[in-house]
Formats: sequence, C-alpha cells, structure tokens
Amino acid sequence: SSELTQDPAVSVALGQTVSITCQGDSLRIYYASWYQQKPGQAPVLVTYGENSRPSGIPKRFSGSKSGNTASLTISGAQAEDEADYYCHSRDSSGDHWVFGGGTKLTVL
Amino acid sequence: EVQLVESGGGLVKPGGSLRLSCAASGFTFQNYNMNWVRQAPGKGLEWVSSISSRSSYKYYADSVKGRFTISRDNAKNSLYLQLNSLRADDTAIYYCAREYTSSSGFDYWGQGTLVTVSS
Repeated sequence: SSELTQDPAVSVALGQTVSITCQGDSLRIYYASWYQQKPGQAPVLVTYGENSRPSGIPKRFSGSKSGNTASLTISGAQAEDEADYYCHSRDSSGDHWVFGGGTKLTVL
Repeated sequence: EVQLVESGGGLVKPGGSLRLSCAASGFTFQNYNMNWVRQAPGKGLEWVSSISSRSSYKYYADSVKGRFTISRDNAKNSLYLQLNSLRADDTAIYYCAREYTSSSGFDYWGQGTLVTVSS
C-alpha cells in the first residue's frame, strides 16, 4: 500500500502533551519524517529517522514508531505550534515517497 | 546558508506546458537527491517526482507519470520540472526540496512557485 493515514484534526490545551499519529503499511519497513506547515509558508522538517531533530527544532518535538504506526509527540505544546502537520515516508516499493493527508493541530 | 528558489510558475491553459526551475545554493548540489512536491489550494502535500544526485534514477507519482519530466544540471546547481499536457487538477504550488538522505525526508524546501491551469 502507498497510503499514509492521519487524523484530520487534533486539539491540545496550552502546555499539555499531544501525539499525532500516522498509519501505513510502509511504516513497518521505513521510518516517518514529520513536517510542520503554517499558513502561507513552506513545510519545515521537525523530526526524521528513529527520533532525530534538525538543528533549531525545539526538544519538545519527538518522533517514534511502533508496527505500522508513526507518532509525532509535542511535549508541552506552545501557541506557536498551531499548524498543519504531515507525516512522510517511502512507499512499500521504496522508490516513491508518500505524504499523509495532514493533521490540523489547534492549541487551546 | 542553504537556499532553494523556484521560478517559472504562472497561468497556463489546459493542455499547455510549463517549465519550472529551482536554483540551489549554499550546499554541494551534486551530492543530493532532489524532489518536487506540490500542494493544491487548501489541500495537503503531494510528492511529484524525485531525481538522484547524478540523474541515474528518476521517479514519478502516478498522477503525473508520462506528462511531467524531472531533470537537473549539476554544473548550474539547478533542478527542473517540465510540465506537459496540463490539467486543471495540476493547479498547485510546486516546491523543490532537498532529500537529506534516502530515508530521512526533505530537510530544505523552497518557497514554491504557483502553477494555475485554467482556460
């Protein structure tokens, strides 16, 4: 299968912890990357691989995987974390890339 | 500083063609695989195409295969996407993106160029 499935919307109270999940058969083989996208801006890579963060990404962002499910966890969500989040991985063939449908995170 | 700057977008009629360019700077372009990703208005991200560092491998999403062609010129630090037989559902912002490693996602993105297909 070449699909990655995300919940369309998730909300979290300011300062609380939230996990955004992504399901797909290819995740049994490959790790997911996660991107944050704010309105009118290009996506920004926030986690990749087993649990790595690019330089400049706050430590409150972490990634994990179990079976066919990848998760992005934000520990102590901030107002500036309100954005769309996309998971991303190889498809089962390993040649193509695929994105999840995106999750809109609201920080209450 | 790594920079990716897309250009070439615009308004084109259905069935028409367009060539997008992505100028790269701040890194050794020839060492990285590169990709095009698009985003239709109000929709999610869609991977379009990828090309390996020396152009040995080129891959396309099913939605564009046979109509779009990816290429690169490592001497000019540039990535290209030729769009042919354009349809209304190709309307999107097109981003170029650098592939960090073959399994680690896209670490740098341009700001995108808008392609609008309409009569």
